[in-house]
Amino acid sequence: DAGVIQSPRHEVTEMGQEVTLRCKPISGHNSLFWYRQTMMRGLELLIYFNNNVPIDDSGMPEDRFSAKMPNASFSTLKIQPSEPRDSAVYFCASSPGRGEAFFGQGTRLTVV
Amino acid sequence: DQQVKQNSPSLSVQEGRISILNCDYTNSMFDYFLWYKKYPAEGPTFLISISSIKDKNEDGRFTVFLNKSAKHLSLHIVPSQPGDSAVYFCAASRTGYALNFGKGTSLLVTP
Repeated sequence: DAGVIQSPRHEVTEMGQEVTLRCKPISGHNSLFWYRQTMMRGLELLIYFNNNVPIDDSGMPEDRFSAKMPNASFSTLKIQPSEPRDSAVYFCASSPGRGEAFFGQGTRLTVV
Repeated sequence: DQQVKQNSPSLSVQEGRISILNCDYTNSMFDYFLWYKKYPAEGPTFLISISSIKDKNEDGRFTVFLNKSAKHLSLHIVPSQPGDSAVYFCAASRTGYALNFGKGTSLLVTP
């Protein structure tokens, strides 16, 4: 398996623009997570899906952020409108259930 | 509120010596603990884990110790190698919930 695949690897956008980050989890994994890494807060959970259903979205910063998982092999994280403070590395991870999560390589987002 | 805390942002160790990375947690419901390693421009990769029913788990040069009464775990790397230089994240979870991560400790192993 190729592992968790995220795209794009880097995204630079202007404030106010819509940004969509994409994730393909490992086949057979039923849990998917979106995390954000910043210097100040480390790795913080944004949202957790189980069997394509959002289970915990308490980490989503505000209404500008939304995430979807239309099927078991694809998820998106959308920011609309984007702001400079959203600049961070966004990671997608998947898990077969109990145990460790496997991370993608991340998307480095820069909002100018 | 940070439920998993890594109070040392950085650690420097000489090659061949022991590296000890520490982690504290506040949620007594956590029953599974993990360590991840992260190189720059890569995603975190799983290193070693321990269930709350154990107090030690060993995998080669890596050993994780869990002290439930103190809500503390540590990762020992013996002997440390320059390739171990990375950021190490402690994580904790309970059944049905996502992993909670600490802020990470940057380990530098010098020749």
